[in-house]
Amino acid sequence: AQRVTQPEKLLSVFKGAPVELKCNYSYSGSPELFWYVQYSRQRLQLLLRHISRESIKGFTADLNKGETSFHLKKPFAQEEDSAMYYCALRGIQAGTALIFGKGTTLSVSS
Amino acid sequence: GAVVSQHPSRVICKSGTSVKIECRSLDFQATTMFWYRQFPKQSLMLMATSNEGSKATYEQGVEKDKFLINHASLTLSTLTVTSAHPEDSSFYICSARTSGGAPYNEQFFGPGTRLTVL
Repeated sequence: AQRVTQPEKLLSVFKGAPVELKCNYSYSGSPELFWYVQYSRQRLQLLLRHISRESIKGFTADLNKGETSFHLKKPFAQEEDSAMYYCALRGIQAGTALIFGKGTTLSVSS
Repeated sequence: GAVVSQHPSRVICKSGTSVKIECRSLDFQATTMFWYRQFPKQSLMLMATSNEGSKATYEQGVEKDKFLINHASLTLSTLTVTSAHPEDSSFYICSARTSGGAPYNEQFFGPGTRLTVL
């Protein structure tokens, strides 16, 4: 069965501290992995996808197939990073939908 | 970037009535659209996958006769909640997937529709 697990409901850090949002997945095959972000009162938007291997807003995520993990990291958190973060996966077949984890609320305070 | 709109953004209805929610891809064609349901402070649960010109594929546990999905054009999908009951109150979010051009194969999300059934 396909599943995305985000073990932390809430992560509170101080500004300037490192951040790691955990994501583990279960999927038979090689899925695509994504991180989506939802700022307060805004729609869900793509933050990054594993195949792009890019850094967006200082965030990076590395796919570890051995540990089936796709943790999101940022070395120095900013207050504007406070949001809900969802890890998601999708099969590589055309037309398949994103399956989301339960999300982690990141709260960055000064 | 690609934009997905939903209408209405908020609807309140009486129990037993039907409600239609529209989802439009404004600047791209979407052969595939998805409908999700989100409970307060919880994740998005996939309800169904909608392909233009064909029947929607529903996820296990989602009643297809209660949640009618129509995807009659490449830019419009509708979700009709029939005979709504208070337990159907939720936040419904649609998503459209790009199929051609850049960005390729990316899902864009609508702002959601808050349904409250009294």
